[in-house]
Amino acid sequence: DAGITQSPRYKITETGRQVTLMCHQTWSHSYMFWYRQDLGHGLRLIYYSAAADITDKGEVPDGYVVSRSKTENFPLTLESATRSQTSVYFCASSGGRVYEQYFGPGTRLTVT
Amino acid sequence: QQQVKQSPQSLIVQKGGISIINCAYENTAFDYFPWYQQFPGKGPALLIAIRPDVSEKKEGRFTISFNKSAKQFSLHIMDSQPGDSATYFCAAPLEGSGGFKTIFGAGTRLFVKA
Repeated sequence: DAGITQSPRYKITETGRQVTLMCHQTWSHSYMFWYRQDLGHGLRLIYYSAAADITDKGEVPDGYVVSRSKTENFPLTLESATRSQTSVYFCASSGGRVYEQYFGPGTRLTVT
Repeated sequence: QQQVKQSPQSLIVQKGGISIINCAYENTAFDYFPWYQQFPGKGPALLIAIRPDVSEKKEGRFTISFNKSAKQFSLHIMDSQPGDSATYFCAAPLEGSGGFKTIFGAGTRLFVKA
């Protein structure tokens, strides 16, 4: 199906482990974003990408790594997961009007 | 750190009533000011957006009003329905980001009583 998908939808991992969250979109949108959503904080931008091989930090990038070798994929890696990274992670994409972002269904990550 | 301050945190409205959510922003890269709607277990979805050179935009029962001098914009939901029960986020482009980075408010949880 066309759209934006995230995998896995749920993930439990232990402190110190590496975790990669996947994001895939079928619209060939140039812009892609990663957000985390925590109660009381709304959505906070972790990283964004304006095109393949172009990425930049957002508000809360520490502890996260991104890459974008293909336009349609934008994986987010937690190199050494911490409990403070327990959150719901949303990927989004945009085709030009950056304020008009299309969000995926989210990944709920729990770090024990 | 630039912020977008959203209020109230939660709101309970009777069916048929008017829901009003407010946002105040600091300096920003003027472009568009969007509102997003999020249902439980789903990702946010763009609801409506306004350009800073207009004072009001209406789409169906949803209206954004914008006060540039006060650096505030508001979402009004007329004739609120139980199906409008969701979390609403305002957002603004981060200053100096070329419009690529968006700052979201903390969200308002709306519950419309039948």
